Amino acid sequence: GAGVSQSPRYKVAKRGQDVALRCDPISGHVSLFWYQQALGQGPEFLTYFQNEAQLDKSGLPSDRFFAERPEGSVSTLKIQRTQQEDSAVYLCASTQTHEQYFGPGTRLTVT
Amino acid sequence: RKEVEQDPGPFNVPEGATVAFNCTYSNSASQSFFWYRQDCRKEPKLLMSVYSSGNEDGRFTAQLNRASQYISLLIRDSKLSDSATYLCVVNSGSSNTGKLIFGQGTTLQVKP
Repeated sequence: GAGVSQSPRYKVAKRGQDVALRCDPISGHVSLFWYQQALGQGPEFLTYFQNEAQLDKSGLPSDRFFAERPEGSVSTLKIQRTQQEDSAVYLCASTQTHEQYFGPGTRLTVT
Repeated sequence: RKEVEQDPGPFNVPEGATVAFNCTYSNSASQSFFWYRQDCRKEPKLLMSVYSSGNEDGRFTAQLNRASQYISLLIRDSKLSDSATYLCVVNSGSSNTGKLIFGQGTTLQVKP
């Protein structure tokens, strides 16, 4: 069956631009997570949804980061006024029980 | 101090070698523990969960020591295909959201 998909796979943005990253979780998975992975580091938690409710956004690094999941399936992570330090791979994961299934990630480069 | 700490390596070993990775975590309230594998420029994938009693899956053995807050992964008879980054992962003990806390990862390179 289909796994978690993310788009775009690669995004180059000029500093100051807004970007939107999309995640399509596995069908029927209630929980959805976003993580940020900098080069040479492990993924770091950004935010968590249970259905359409954003229950934890403690990992979002600033108010430039915003995530939504309005119908409890597809989620979008938006970054406003991108900065160079936002360059990273953004991973989405969904789960039904305890195992989190990750998408391939969106590699964001801010120039 | 990071919540989950691992030696980043790299570990360079010959095929057939036994290699062990260690990891420590700081939150004593953590409830679930995992090893994930991440190939270069790919997403992390669950390798195995880690239980207090220790568990084995083929050539892979994971151990958890709650008293020392220490997790280990042993790989026996290394294969070239084992070359990857191994991420030590704990769930956040302070919430029931299931969010995962990852270590930096340990890089393994198995050479012929």
